[in-house]
Amino acid sequence: GQQVMQIPQYQHVQEGEDFTTYCNSSTTLSNIQWYKQRPGGHPVFLIQLVKSGEVKKQKRLTFQFGEAKKNSSLHITATQTTDVGTYFCAVTQGGSEKLVFGKGTKLTVNP
Amino acid sequence: DAGVIQSPRHEVTEMGQEVTLRCKPISGHNSLFWYRQTMMRGLELLIYFNNNVPIDDSGMPEDRFSAKMPNASFSTLKIQPSEPRDSAVYFCASQSGGSQPQHFGDGTRLSIL
Repeated sequence: GQQVMQIPQYQHVQEGEDFTTYCNSSTTLSNIQWYKQRPGGHPVFLIQLVKSGEVKKQKRLTFQFGEAKKNSSLHITATQTTDVGTYFCAVTQGGSEKLVFGKGTKLTVNP
Repeated sequence: DAGVIQSPRHEVTEMGQEVTLRCKPISGHNSLFWYRQTMMRGLELLIYFNNNVPIDDSGMPEDRFSAKMPNASFSTLKIQPSEPRDSAVYFCASQSGGSQPQHFGDGTRLSIL
């Protein structure tokens, strides 16, 4: 089945530093979604990328989809303590609604 | 708008007991998903329904787990008999279709002693 590798598993930064998490697949993806889960919370949808080379921004967050549609990244500029949580990428399997989640990157921010 | 509603929020029970988790999806959403989250295995899809019909239950760990969706506004995940290794956070999510975002409930934190 579809698998997606997400790195790093953990990232600790000082407030104000940048942060990036990466998702990689061995197969071409139809789309990729990103979710954020705060400590003790539930995953919350952030964005979906569909087009090759697509770049989308949400304030300090920048999402990219690779040209070959096999990788994606989420970059946070000047992290804040409110960015703390685990960031997951998720991809659909086949043509179904089924989502396969990466293992996530847990971000901690030192104030 | 009410989100996905799960109950109970927390459950602590002894091994061997039956556990029933409940989920009310967002009105109008036609797909419902049950996930299990643990530190070791991350977020795993157990089963999902489309228009109340189970589509893929390949993630259900074993026969002790069963799920039903008797109507569009209610689903249950049952574990019988429960075992300590079933301890996890169980999430329900719903979706309006296709590759739309999934909306998660707050989860049920299950501890089997």
